[in-house]
Amino acid sequence: QKEVEQDPGPLSVPEGAIVSLNCTYSNSAFQYFMWYRQYSRKGPELLMYTYSSGNKEDGRFTAQVDKSSKYISLFIRDSQPSDSATYLCAMSEYSSASKIIFGSGTRLSIRP
Amino acid sequence: EAGVTQSPTHLIKTRGQQATLRCSPISGHTSVYWYQQALGLGLQFLLWYDEGEERNRGNFPPRFSGRQFPNYSSELNVNALELEDSALYLCASSLDRSNSRQYFGPGTRLTVT
Repeated sequence: QKEVEQDPGPLSVPEGAIVSLNCTYSNSAFQYFMWYRQYSRKGPELLMYTYSSGNKEDGRFTAQVDKSSKYISLFIRDSQPSDSATYLCAMSEYSSASKIIFGSGTRLSIRP
Repeated sequence: EAGVTQSPTHLIKTRGQQATLRCSPISGHTSVYWYQQALGLGLQFLLWYDEGEERNRGNFPPRFSGRQFPNYSSELNVNALELEDSALYLCASSLDRSNSRQYFGPGTRLTVT
């Protein structure tokens, strides 16, 4: 079993829809949780960074962490075609970046 | 503020050759990380450099090596290239070794024929 599981998709939704992207994990020691967006042939871009459980909102993006269920989510409101990309979850036990474990990514497509 | 830069953008090599990839971190960042992103395999951690020292390496053979220069830029060397080494190689930087916020460069696409 992988430490971090992420549905590869592809996920296709109409413009304006609410998108929910999810990851599950097995290591209860993870404390730092991240979401990256990666456009085709580009490097990943840090979208959200959270510590421990709870919600964090940034514009149209909301990151949610449920440590009791070992489950994290990224919600995108009012989705736009420009949100079409691969979304990677990542997590770590430590504040250091040396042991970050990445999910394999979910491909998202927003239909105009 | 300039982001992480990588060169070259694309690199084509033949089996058995050596490849050298370069990375410049964000100004003020001391930690540099290298990842391999092969099709269908996700991001695989390769190497971590901080303050000029190799701090950690992933599960890759010794023919993957690198170094970090006094200006914190870094180089990844891949010797005796194999077809399976074809991938996008990503460099990331963070402010220091205790910071898990990583910022990625655009990557170098290495093709081995």
